[in-house]
Amino acid sequence: DTGVSQDPRHKITKRGQNVTFRCDPISEHNRLYWYRQTLGQGPEFLTYFQNEAQLEKSRLLSDRFSAERPKGSFSTLEIQRTEQGDSAMYLCASSFGVLADTQYFGPGTRLTVL
Amino acid sequence: QKEVEQNSGPLSVPEGAIASLNCTYSDRGSQSFFWYRQYSGKSPELIMSIYSNGDKEDGRFTAQLNKASQYVSLLIRDSQPSDSATYLCAAYQAGTALIFGKGTTLSVSS
Repeated sequence: DTGVSQDPRHKITKRGQNVTFRCDPISEHNRLYWYRQTLGQGPEFLTYFQNEAQLEKSRLLSDRFSAERPKGSFSTLEIQRTEQGDSAMYLCASSFGVLADTQYFGPGTRLTVL
Repeated sequence: QKEVEQNSGPLSVPEGAIASLNCTYSDRGSQSFFWYRQYSGKSPELIMSIYSNGDKEDGRFTAQLNKASQYVSLLIRDSQPSDSATYLCAAYQAGTALIFGKGTTLSVSS
């Protein structure tokens, strides 16, 4: 257990529904990252926050995806109008410090879109 | 396009042998490099980081970095069946996120 928690651990939804995932980073970590991983691939970067500011978004993050980190604590990732191609493991990671490169991952949320 | 390349494997070694995992990266601006272990259905678990050219040892694990060749490797000595997993190599450049390879699957047979 790295200290990063994610909820829910599993989510099954029907195509077209909206889903929201939550990530609680390690308490003193100022950076929070969201990645997506599909079978046979490494994690792919989606977006990251430094404190409450969203600093970068991948081109993978379509308009249906939105992320927030109010007050620089927990973060939420929302997917609107889910598609079958959104089925994946959604991973949250956190880090701290000036370089902030050492990232610790949460257990992930497995999304299945039927 | 920043890329990290790994052989997908599977790499099969007998118990007690040395497993050698390799990775190349495309972005010369990458400053730090990481190896993560990922068991099936689980999230990545950090094994080692390396920042400077040369070797870095931690228990049975040794990471090697050659920035001139843009090459990173991980050696696992005295491999155990519990080491059977997918090993992800990742590169980091300040102000961005980790760029991961697809991972190499290691199988250690007893």
